[in-house]
Amino acid sequence: DAEITQSPRHKITETGRQVTLACHQTWNHNNMFWYRQDLGHGLRLIHYSYGVQDTNKGEVSDGYSVSRSNTEDLPLTLESAASSQTSVYFCASSSTSGMNTGELFFGEGSRLTVL
Amino acid sequence: AQSVTQLDSQVPVFEEAPVELRCNYSSSVSVYLFWYVQYPNQGLQLLLKYLSGSTLVKGINGFEAEFNKSQTSFHLRKPSVHISDTAEYFCAVPVAGGTSYGKLTFGQGTILTVHP
Repeated sequence: DAEITQSPRHKITETGRQVTLACHQTWNHNNMFWYRQDLGHGLRLIHYSYGVQDTNKGEVSDGYSVSRSNTEDLPLTLESAASSQTSVYFCASSSTSGMNTGELFFGEGSRLTVL
Repeated sequence: AQSVTQLDSQVPVFEEAPVELRCNYSSSVSVYLFWYVQYPNQGLQLLLKYLSGSTLVKGINGFEAEFNKSQTSFHLRKPSVHISDTAEYFCAVPVAGGTSYGKLTFGQGTILTVHP
């Protein structure tokens, strides 16, 4: 079955360190997204990509970057981790082909703690 | 940009009782609406969606929602809940109308707790 795999599932890091969260999907979807989930805020969009070499900023992109070198992967990098980036991060994908409904398919999340 | 507001942050209910989780949206364009569910320590999964047609939408696990254009609402209902329905529920709408290819804006979430 197709799926989205995130790694690591849990990570503790220190302020100022660079952190990369991996996301790999086997749906063959063109569109990939990174959201963060915080209590009281729901999910907020960080970055998204509509295809290889395409990346776009979302609502809360400061301090984050992404790159899209192939269809399957969209790694999220925190250039210099801050305590405000302690959160649960979700990767998601969607299709642009056929009866696209905008439905998102989610990974299981990566819990990041910045000390 | 479109937005959604979930009117209840927490909803406690007893098993086999009915439940309604409320969602209001703001939009001046054609609307697609979604409800997602998140079980503990898992990602989100689609519960149901409204794209067009019948205003009553049926989803998985016995849930349904009604699209009400005049009240700009998309409330989620279930006539009889089970312990296993305990989860967080999110209402979502495309950011800029149409499908936005999955670029969604989510509500703040409603935690449904079903008590025995």
